[in-house]
Amino acid sequence: SQTIHQWPATLVQPVGSPLSLECTVEGTSNPNLYWYRQAAGRGLQLLFYSVGIGQISSEVPQNLSASRPQDRQFILSSKKLLLSDSGFYLCAWSQMVSVVGSKLFFGSGTQLSVL
Amino acid sequence: SQQGEEDPQALSIQEGENATMNCSYKTSINNLQWYRQNSGRGLVHLILIRSNEREKHSGRLRVTLDTSKKSSSLLITASRAADTASYFCVYGSARQLTFGSGTQLTVLP
Repeated sequence: SQTIHQWPATLVQPVGSPLSLECTVEGTSNPNLYWYRQAAGRGLQLLFYSVGIGQISSEVPQNLSASRPQDRQFILSSKKLLLSDSGFYLCAWSQMVSVVGSKLFFGSGTQLSVL
Repeated sequence: SQQGEEDPQALSIQEGENATMNCSYKTSINNLQWYRQNSGRGLVHLILIRSNEREKHSGRLRVTLDTSKKSSSLLITASRAADTASYFCVYGSARQLTFGSGTQLTVLP
């Protein structure tokens, strides 16, 4: 069966420090991979989307970046965090075959607090 | 992308009662999904209804879709305290998925 791992669960970082959040998927190959951010009490905002190794689409301009060094690994990074980067970050995957109507499978999320 | 609207924003009911949440959307869709999120956790897929379907059931869940009104509803019957969570409707293609603002459901024991 497929599983998705996301870590860390919580992170407190000072302004200006770097960031690296990691997400890995098991039990499937060629997944679509996503990074979302969720503000408190709100829906999700898509940050990055990947259809394959090295293929990253950015949906929202910001000081964050994403990389996909391996088929089932997705990393969210920043060189210098801003206060506004605080939030709940979620990694997700879906089947490659059909993006329309595909279910999303979410990781457990990372609560990032930038102080 | 524009956020879908969910109504109500918060709902508090007694265990055993039914809970109904509504979602309105602004674009044409191929399907609409409902997800559940426990506090501080990831979202879990509940049910998907295609645009040519009007109603779908899964256990205690019943979803309806009215494409003429661009609206969907999620009904949870015989609610339990464990149903306490936020519920989101989601629609669109993979790169333009729109998430509703969510309904926070509290089921009191």
